[in-house]
Amino acid sequence: DQQVKQNSPSLSVQEGRISILNCDYTNSMFDYFLWYKKYPAEGPTFLISISSIKDKNEDGRFTVFLNKSAKHLSLHIVPSQPGDSAVYFCAASARSSGSARQLTFGSGTQLTVLP
Amino acid sequence: NAGVTQTPKFRVLKTGQSMTLLCAQDMNHEYMYWYRQDPGMGLRLIHYSVGEGTTAKGEVPDGYNVSRLKKQNFLLGLESAAPSQTSVYFCASRQTGTGGPISPQHFGDGTRLSIL
Repeated sequence: DQQVKQNSPSLSVQEGRISILNCDYTNSMFDYFLWYKKYPAEGPTFLISISSIKDKNEDGRFTVFLNKSAKHLSLHIVPSQPGDSAVYFCAASARSSGSARQLTFGSGTQLTVLP
Repeated sequence: NAGVTQTPKFRVLKTGQSMTLLCAQDMNHEYMYWYRQDPGMGLRLIHYSVGEGTTAKGEVPDGYNVSRLKKQNFLLGLESAAPSQTSVYFCASRQTGTGGPISPQHFGDGTRLSIL
């Protein structure tokens, strides 16, 4: 049973437009959410996070929105750039996992930004 | 600024062989993790460690063993490799919290392992 779901395996967007990547979760104990970006042959790199006490967090071109009632979060990239083309993973953590804060990952969305 | 270093980067094994994957971090992080990534799936946690000398099971621990004899190193062992263990393995580390925002995990570049 996937606790974190990214239902869109791929997304294509024109350069300069907004990219919106979506993520749904089922475990109501999740209280911390992260987005990671991954290029081929590299490890995931941390992009942005949000605590469940917030509904929005912004860092430059990247904004994450959290809708707790819908158990849904989204990552907005504005404006999208060709260098943003990568696989984006949504991940979640529960306080009940203890200090180790294990992450549960979604299956990823391949974003392609077209020039 | 090495961060998290994984060795080897690639390896091909025959069924039944054993091997050890090494993860080293130079950030003095307490927590370390081993994941596997399979096509069409996210990263799944194999084992993790909350400090030197400690290890714990993750979501998919069967067929793997780990050791954390030194704070900076986290070893993942396959005692008798099986084709189902063909995967890309990622190691990550994270610093302990200080009451502020939860620190993110930092990942190595992975080890691609094929078992024939």
